[in-house]
Amino acid sequence: DSGVTQTPKHLITATGQRVTLRCSPRSGDLSVYWYQQSLDQGLQFLIQYYNGEERAKGNILERFSAQQFPDLHSELNLSSLELGDSALYFCASSVDPAGGPQETQYFGPGTRLLVL
Amino acid sequence: AQSVSQHNHHVILSEAASLELGCNYSYGGTVNLFWYVQYPGQHLQLLLKYFSGDPLVKGIKGFEAEFIKSKFSFNLRKPSVQWSDTAEYFCAVFQYGQNFVFGPGTRLSVLP
Repeated sequence: DSGVTQTPKHLITATGQRVTLRCSPRSGDLSVYWYQQSLDQGLQFLIQYYNGEERAKGNILERFSAQQFPDLHSELNLSSLELGDSALYFCASSVDPAGGPQETQYFGPGTRLLVL
Repeated sequence: AQSVSQHNHHVILSEAASLELGCNYSYGGTVNLFWYVQYPGQHLQLLLKYFSGDPLVKGIKGFEAEFIKSKFSFNLRKPSVQWSDTAEYFCAVFQYGQNFVFGPGTRLSVLP
């Protein structure tokens, strides 16, 4: 158990819909990262938040957005869903006091999204 | 943009065999390098990481990796694999301005 929790574990929805994935980082970790893992694209970095502010952006679509709340949990919002959005979505957290990559990332168990 | 390649898609070994998984990245400059492992049905876990200093890095569970800057490589090694090492292994690179880039992964199957 990494200490990072994600809900829900599984999500089945239809094209065009909107879903929200939730991540609670390890206690004391200020940085949250979101990743998408799919068979054709592999593991892709989406976005990072550090202490409530967006720190880095990767291959995140405009239909996707994220935020980190004052209690440091984070939500990833996926809208206008397409079949190709079906994937495993991981979040990871790290202490990251300097905002850099030096600290170990601890990954959550992921949310498996299936878009029908 | 930075890209990461892993030489093998699927590696099959017998227990006690030696392991080497290749990882190459495309751009030079200062990089931070990682190997992650994903056991069946589990989340990714960090095996080891390199930021600076000794290019031979030791990680958990007997794994080590060697950073060879001239070859843009960060190969993962283990002298003797066990059945419990069956998993998917991901190499990742962090470069400022590029963020994290993961390789496609190598699936390791260890036969008992």
